[in-house]
Amino acid sequence: SFELTQPPSVSVSPGQTARITCSGDALADLYAYWYQQKPGQAPVLLIYKDIKRPSHIPERFSGSSSGTVVTLTVSGVRAEDEADYYCQSSDNNTVVFGGGTKLTVL
Amino acid sequence: EVQLVESGGGLVQPGRSLRLSCTTSGFTFGDYAMSWVRQAPGKGLEWVGFVRSKNYGGTTEYAASVNGRFTISRDDSKSIAYLQMNSLKTEDTGVYYCTRVTGEPHWGQGTLVTVSS
Repeated sequence: SFELTQPPSVSVSPGQTARITCSGDALADLYAYWYQQKPGQAPVLLIYKDIKRPSHIPERFSGSSSGTVVTLTVSGVRAEDEADYYCQSSDNNTVVFGGGTKLTVL
Repeated sequence: EVQLVESGGGLVQPGRSLRLSCTTSGFTFGDYAMSWVRQAPGKGLEWVGFVRSKNYGGTTEYAASVNGRFTISRDDSKSIAYLQMNSLKTEDTGVYYCTRVTGEPHWGQGTLVTVSS
């Protein structure tokens, strides 16, 4: 198996840009996925295969990848973006989630 | 529209069994691997296991924490995935989500399983 590491928390003021990282050696070879989860709700897919965005997700959510680190960028942060964010990756035999990052909008 | 609906959750005593179902629509179920993910109260997401499509043998993989106790299966004729949970422990308590794995992932809304005496 492999591990994915996320910062426990990120804080940003409204209108600023938030960047949430996810690191792991396996990310050099595997795709990353990003999910947003608000309290009491199911996770919502934000980004898949490193950079692809589902059609209903706003363009201010974007993903990037560089070596063993993938990054979720939220541009023009809004109060409604306050949530937990999880990265995830998988190989042929397992699926791994990062520990999650709580995004606080100040 | 792709839809996944979990059912079968509830309160169960430690050591007992429970079977969850994931009823799907809006896509060709047999073409996709299906996975189960759980979330304990106040904790992060934890992968439980997945079942491959018949094209890839319909085989299964499980997390170490559930291997030997949980079994994932699929009925392609009904577009349903199942999670059979045996020898349940209190630490199995949480919300269980069904997900479509390949391509653009889709998730259900989850079903709550509470293991308590």
